[in-house]
Amino acid sequence: QSVLTQPPSASGTPGQRVTISCSGSSSNIGSNTVNWYQQLPGTAPKLLIYSNNQRPSGVPDRFSGSKSGTSASLAISGLQSEDEADYYCAAWDDSLNGGVFGGGTKLTVL
Amino acid sequence: QVQLVQSGAEVKKPGASVKVSCKASGYTFTSYGISWVRQAPGQGLEWMGWISAYNGNTNYAQKLQGRVTMTTDTSTSTAYMELRSLRSDDTAVYYCARHRWSGSYNDFDYWGQGTLVTVSS
Repeated sequence: QSVLTQPPSASGTPGQRVTISCSGSSSNIGSNTVNWYQQLPGTAPKLLIYSNNQRPSGVPDRFSGSKSGTSASLAISGLQSEDEADYYCAAWDDSLNGGVFGGGTKLTVL
Repeated sequence: QVQLVQSGAEVKKPGASVKVSCKASGYTFTSYGISWVRQAPGQGLEWMGWISAYNGNTNYAQKLQGRVTMTTDTSTSTAYMELRSLRSDDTAVYYCARHRWSGSYNDFDYWGQGTLVTVSS
């Protein structure tokens, strides 16, 4: 059971906009920044969004993040086939004094 | 360019220990921390702990306390993760990641390629 809660799956057609939610608590998302990681099949995770809504260099602006209270979300617009991957939200948890992840959302591009 | 290169796959028997290495290049090693994250087959990501490459301070996940030790060798810019008393549910891909922790951000911005550790009798 993951500390952060994500839907196990999401899907969309090319060109569509999809969102993935991430729910936490006051000790993690409520008091710390949220990061999102993309894991393509068979590869290591890659930082996609940091500090709630910042994109590292090289990440397309089709990817955006937001946070409100104890929840966060990742939005992907103009969906492309290469976006098919697992997406994980993450944050620091002050009660556990450690990093916590969501269970991951498998995105399928139909 | 920043790179983290991990050691190769390991097969261990239950009760044994494993030590995975992570060699960093392309940045000042002591300016960042290293976190270790593992992923069991078909499962999600699990944070294991963090070590400061600056002073060696560590912070381990509660469930692994007493079984895990993280160290660094600043002379070779290499981080190590040792896990003892291995069980079958320790079978996973183990990743090292550069841990940025400053001001408004706290994230893992570069990752190693992963090391598969299989625990089987």
